[in-house]
Amino acid sequence: SQQGEEDPQALSIQEGENATMNCSYKTSINNLQWYRQNSGRGLVHLILIRSNEREKHSGRLRVTLDTSKKSSSLLITASRAADTASYFCATDGVDQTGANNLFFGTGTRLTVIP
Amino acid sequence: DVKVTQSSRYLVKRTGEKVFLECVQDMDHENMFWYRQDPGLGLRLIYFSYDVKMKEKGDIPEGYSVSREKKERFSLILESASTNQTSMYLCASSSTGILAYSNQPQHFGDGTRLSIL
Repeated sequence: SQQGEEDPQALSIQEGENATMNCSYKTSINNLQWYRQNSGRGLVHLILIRSNEREKHSGRLRVTLDTSKKSSSLLITASRAADTASYFCATDGVDQTGANNLFFGTGTRLTVIP
Repeated sequence: DVKVTQSSRYLVKRTGEKVFLECVQDMDHENMFWYRQDPGLGLRLIYFSYDVKMKEKGDIPEGYSVSREKKERFSLILESASTNQTSMYLCASSSTGILAYSNQPQHFGDGTRLSIL
């Protein structure tokens, strides 16, 4: 499978703590994206990091990419109860039709306890 | 902000029915996608379209077809619904990047939770 795999599958932390989620993938990529999904809703794009970038920030989010290890991490600092959601990584790759597409992992379920 | 609207949040249909799921985007995006999401399996691509009247099969096209008659609208059709098609269906759209549509963010609708009885 070309899907990324998130780790851990579930994470529970106290409000104010930092949350770190990891994503590993198998094939070479041009970019890696992180998405968030609130319960019962669609996915929301958070951040895109290209293969020639090592780190990217957006507000309380920090994403790192290590192409030599084929892995990425998403750090949420000073977490809030509203950060409770599932987080997915998505990597680009070639599907069975030969087209370039995004492949999503199965997600990390983050619970932030007030 | 990009808005992707799926016609129904919840839908209940019977086995053997023909089911239509509609998706509309308002940002003039070239690319549109249909995924299904099941627990433990993540998102799986059913079909996508990179232009009007164009369609490409994704990972799991069997039992589904699509229609894109207008740029803003992408329909998913279950030809003869079966119970194993009970799932959350997500529509997404994106613009076309320099290399491919895979290097652009996708914008998702809120999903249609479809139950086939």
